[in-house]
Parts: sequence; C-alpha cells; structure tokens
Amino acid sequence: QSVLTQPPSVSAAPGQKVTISCSGSSSNIGNNYVSWYQQLPGTAPKLLIYDNNKRPSGIPDRFSGSKSGTSATLGITGLQTGDEADYYCGTWDSSLSAGPVFGGGTKLTVL
Amino acid sequence: EVQLVETGGGLIQPGGSLRLSCAASGFTVSSNYMSWVRQAPGKGLEWVSVIYSGGSTYYADSVKGRFTISRDNSKNTLYLQMNSLRAEDTAVYYCARAVVVAETNWYFDLWGRGTLVTVSS
Repeated sequence: QSVLTQPPSVSAAPGQKVTISCSGSSSNIGNNYVSWYQQLPGTAPKLLIYDNNKRPSGIPDRFSGSKSGTSATLGITGLQTGDEADYYCGTWDSSLSAGPVFGGGTKLTVL
Repeated sequence: EVQLVETGGGLIQPGGSLRLSCAASGFTVSSNYMSWVRQAPGKGLEWVSVIYSGGSTYYADSVKGRFTISRDNSKNTLYLQMNSLRAEDTAVYYCARAVVVAETNWYFDLWGRGTLVTVSS
C-alpha cells in the first residue's frame, strides 16, 4: 500500500491529452514539493518534473505538473506511442517514519 | 558521461547477506546525497536508504538494522550491505542521486539501471 495514491492505469489516443493524479495528505503533498518520474518498459525511472511544475533540461514542454492542496497532477499533451510507460509521483513524507515516498504508479497506454 | 552502474545482485537464500555496489562516473559521490530505491516485481518504488554528503545515513523502517549504506570516496562508489535478507526484500535495487533543495524537498535526478536481488530458498 503506497502512501501516495495514483490510478492504476490511464489511456488515450495519440495526439490527445491525458492527466495522471496523485493524492496524498497534509504530511506529504500538502506541505512539500512533488516530483514525477517516467519508467519506460524495462528501464530505470527518469525524472520528468520536480518542484511541482519544473522540467529538467531535455524534457519537452508536452509534460507539465501542478499541485493543489494535497493532490498533484501530471499532464501530457500531444501523446505519442513512445510515452507508453509507468509514471510515478514522489514527495517527502513528514510522518513518524519521515522520508521520501512514491505513488504506486500509473500505467499509461497510448491506444 | 554522467552515469550510475549497479552490480552485485543475485539469488540469495533467506537469512543471507549480499553487498550491492554502484559505480558513479561524471560526478563525485561524496559531494552528493546518494540513495538506494527498490522496486519489487510488478510493484511501485520504495525508498530504502540515503547517505548525505556529510556522511549521515538514514533508512526506511523496513530495512533499519539490517541494511547499511556506505561509500568509498577513492573509488567513487556507493554500497548497500544487506543482511538478514527476507523474501520481501526481493526487488530491483536502483542507485539514485538525490537533489535536496531543503530538508523536505527531495527529488532523484539520476538513476542507475538497477540490479535484481532475489531472496528465495
């Protein structure tokens, strides 16, 4: 059971837009920054978004992040077949067992 | 090229020990916050441990007292010593560089390809 809750799967057609939600609480998302990671099949995770909405160099502006209250959202526009991957949100959790935490992951299927 | 390469995974019996290594290139391990993150088969990511640039170490409750993170500055390499291994420790173990903007603002900007640890009799 992950601390952060993500939908197990989302799907959309090529060229369309999709959003992936990440729900937490005041001990994590509500008071800390959120990051997002893309994990292509059989590969290591890759940083997509940090500080809620910033993109590392090389990440296209088709990827965006936002946060409101205790939830965060990853948006992907102009979907491509190469975007098919698992996506994870992450943040710091300030509860008794403080440390970095992740969501359970969302599998994106580009139909 | 900036990269991380993990080695040392394998099949180990419950109760056994294993040491993972993570060789870094293109940057200095000792100047960064370095972590281990694991992923059980078909599951999500779980943070395991971190070593700060100053040398302080921290662990997830699930591995505290059994795992030890360390580094060899001369080899620019990160390690994870895993003792008293359990079936639930079975996972791909990733080495990752953590960017710590503030005490509670972390993210992982560089990941290795991972090494698989299987704990089974």
